[in-house]
Parts: sequence; C-alpha cells; structure tokens
Amino acid sequence: QAVVTQEPSLTVSPGGTVTLTCGSSTGAVTSGHYPYWFQQKPGQAPRTLIYDTSKKQSWTPARFSGSLLGGKAALTLSGAQPEDEAEYYCLLSYSGARPVFGGGTKLTVL
Amino acid sequence: EVQLVESGGGLVQPGGSLRLSCAASGFTVSSTHMTWVRQAPGKGLEWVSVIFGDGTTYSADSVKGRFTISRDNSKNTLYLQLNSLRAEDTAVYYCACLHCDYWGQGTLVTVSS
Repeated sequence: QAVVTQEPSLTVSPGGTVTLTCGSSTGAVTSGHYPYWFQQKPGQAPRTLIYDTSKKQSWTPARFSGSLLGGKAALTLSGAQPEDEAEYYCLLSYSGARPVFGGGTKLTVL
Repeated sequence: EVQLVESGGGLVQPGGSLRLSCAASGFTVSSTHMTWVRQAPGKGLEWVSVIFGDGTTYSADSVKGRFTISRDNSKNTLYLQLNSLRAEDTAVYYCACLHCDYWGQGTLVTVSS
C-alpha cells in the first residue's frame, strides 16, 4: 500500500500564507490521484475543503486553494485567520479504488 | 437539509461483531459513492470502505474479509458490518460522501475485553 506524506506541523502568522503538501511514496502526485483536502477541528467531524485537486465546496473560504506543486498536491492558505487553526488531511486515490489518507498536518495560527 | 446519522457503535469483545448504520436524509445514498472513514483515539483518519452507485464495493486491506459495506436503498441507509473485531479496530467511524462534504457525526466502536 502506498504511503502518503504530509508535514506533521506548520505554523503561520495571522494574515500570512502557508502551503501544506501531500506526497506519495509511488512517485509524483497527479490529477489522476484526485487529491482531497479535509479540515478537522478538535472534537468535530472532518469537513471536505477541496476535492479533485482544486474544486471547492460551497463553504470553502476563498483564501484556501488546491493545486499540484513540485510533484505533490498542495493546499495553500493565503491570509490565515485564527479559525483556520486545525488538522488538515489529504487523501489520494490509487488504482483499485482504495484511497489513502496522509498522516495529517497540525496547522497553528500564531 | 442533508443529514447523515450513524448508530450502532459500542463496546464489544475481541472477536465480536457489530453493525453500524448511517441513515441519510436530504439526498439519496445510491446516487453516489459513499465511504466509511475511521479515526482511532488521538490518531489520524483512515479510509475503510466505499460503495459506488452501481453497488461495487472496495475495502482497505486492514479490514478486508472482516468488514462489509452495504446499503438499503429502500431505507436510504448505509451499513458497515464489522466482524472478527480486534483491539486495533477501536475508533470513531464516520460515514460520508466525501466529494459532497456530507459527513455523519461519527459512532465510537471500542473493542476490549
């Protein structure tokens, strides 16, 4: 089974910009991995922020964007807000329809 | 309003079984692919199983042969049958339509003697 890697933790200043990445042990991440990004706050169920690399949900703030960057999936937050402090998970799909979650990135806004 | 309401979790002994239910309202579970995701205490998310609109199912290697995903279209309900449970199956189990951003509140399964 593939291993999906994320930064364990990142810190961003309020109003700042940060990029979270999502890599695959099998090689470059492509649109064919249909990358997802999820946000989870303590004690809450996850929410889907981004799917299919860059598609947003109706509630996804405009300051979040998804892309492919340097062989990885990327989630960029531009203009961080205190309410963006959360755990972020990516999910990549592989052949056989058995997707794999990354280990998560704990984002601190400080 | 879309809702997913899970039930069926609880305390079970190793080797035991449980059936989790996920009752949907506001949309039709058979119209899209539905997924079970779990989260062990203090840990990250783990993909468990999916059922596509045509009924095709897939499960993670960690649960293959022990867990079975299914749905009842007449009840608009998704299920996850958990057999041969192990301590490492202890987790909150979420049902979800991932691309729809429809998530249940989760149901806790604890496997312990």
